[in-house]
Parts: sequence; structure tokens; C-alpha cells
Amino acid sequence: GAVVSQHPSRVICKSGTSVKIECRSLDFQATTMFWYRQFPKQSLMLMATSNEGSKATYEQGVEKDKFLINHASLTLSTLTVTSAHPEDSSFYICSATGGRVTGELFFGEGSRLTVL
Amino acid sequence: AQSVSQHNHHVILSEAASLELGCNYSYGGTVNLFWYVQYPGQHLQLLLKYFSGDPLVKGIKGFEAEFIKSKFSFNLRKPSVQWSDTAEYFCAVNAFGQAGTALIFGKGTTLSVSS
Repeated sequence: GAVVSQHPSRVICKSGTSVKIECRSLDFQATTMFWYRQFPKQSLMLMATSNEGSKATYEQGVEKDKFLINHASLTLSTLTVTSAHPEDSSFYICSATGGRVTGELFFGEGSRLTVL
Repeated sequence: AQSVSQHNHHVILSEAASLELGCNYSYGGTVNLFWYVQYPGQHLQLLLKYFSGDPLVKGIKGFEAEFIKSKFSFNLRKPSVQWSDTAEYFCAVNAFGQAGTALIFGKGTTLSVSS
């Protein structure tokens, strides 16, 4: 299957700093990418949908100014957690689709953010 | 609104026991259905998927799932579990025939298999 890679896999930062997480589709062009957040022992919650070259669509309750998403190319989307606080500590997972009708998504390895 | 319900929060089995994890969905249209597994400390892996055709779908590692349209269900089964099947299992759904739609996940079921 198609490969989606996230970087970094783990990041620890101080409260108030910003952290950028990258999501790359390695062997296909991802017209749409999705960012999910997973709290310990819980399910994946969709944060936002981003289409290449346009603004991301955020789910209800997700602060767009806090979680900046950029999808500047067909192989790269970034999630920037701005002014991070301890409550932002979580596992962030990206997924991508090549736009095929079948609708299968391919998931990255996830990035664990710890804010001290 | 779309939703996915997984009835079992935590299932504990002995090795060689049979497994069935329930999944029901709510969606006003035709869907794609998925089961993902997440081993401790690892990322999501696709176990199996259903788009159309034979409602009995076979996946990796001996897992299978049956789509019953009348019941809006997509239960996961395995005839004989192994200790290595200990993991978190997620059922997910998205809209069939619509490219680029997000997956909606159930809350997950934790499977613990004792040797």
C-alpha cells in the first residue's frame, strides 16, 4: 500500500513554544490529508481536513489559530501547534488519500507531543 | 451525522479462544468499512476493508469481518486468537464513492489475550 511518513515521531517542548509536525506521502500524490488526535486509551478524533492549495477545514471545537495546518504541495502537509500547553500533549496522526473513489486512507506513524 | 459504535470496550480471552468484536455504524448512505489494529506503541495498521461485493471480507493475520447491511454492522472475527493479537481494535467508516472523505472511528476495543 501507499506510504505516509510523519516527522518527528516524538517531540518534547516547553510550554509556550510552537511545534511543527510534518506529514509526507512518499509514493503517491495526496490530494487530501487528514489530521487526527488520539488521547491515551481513546479513539482517533478528526481535527481537520486539508486539500492541497486551499485552507483546511476544521472540525467543531478545534481551534484553527492554535492548530495551523498547511498543505502546500501534493506530498506534504504540516501541523503546527502554536503556543503549546500541557493539555495539547497528545498523539497526532495524519492520513492521506490519493483521491481515489474507493476512499481508502493511509496513515502515518503518528507523532507523540509532550508539552512540559 | 455519521457515527460508529463498538460495543465491547475491553475483551479478555485465553489463547485459542474465538473472537468477535461488534461494530455498528450510522450513516445515511453507502459506506466503506474498515477495521484497524493498533499494537502497543505502534501506529495504526489496516486489518481489512469492505467497499463492495462479497460481504464476508478476509484480512490479514486470520481476521475476517462480515458486513450485514440490514443490521448496519461490520463485526470482526477470528476463530482462534493468539497472545500476539493483544492490541486495540478500531472500526471505521467513510462515505463510499466520495474521494477524499475522512474516516470516522469507533472508540476502540482493547483485546487482551492471555497465554
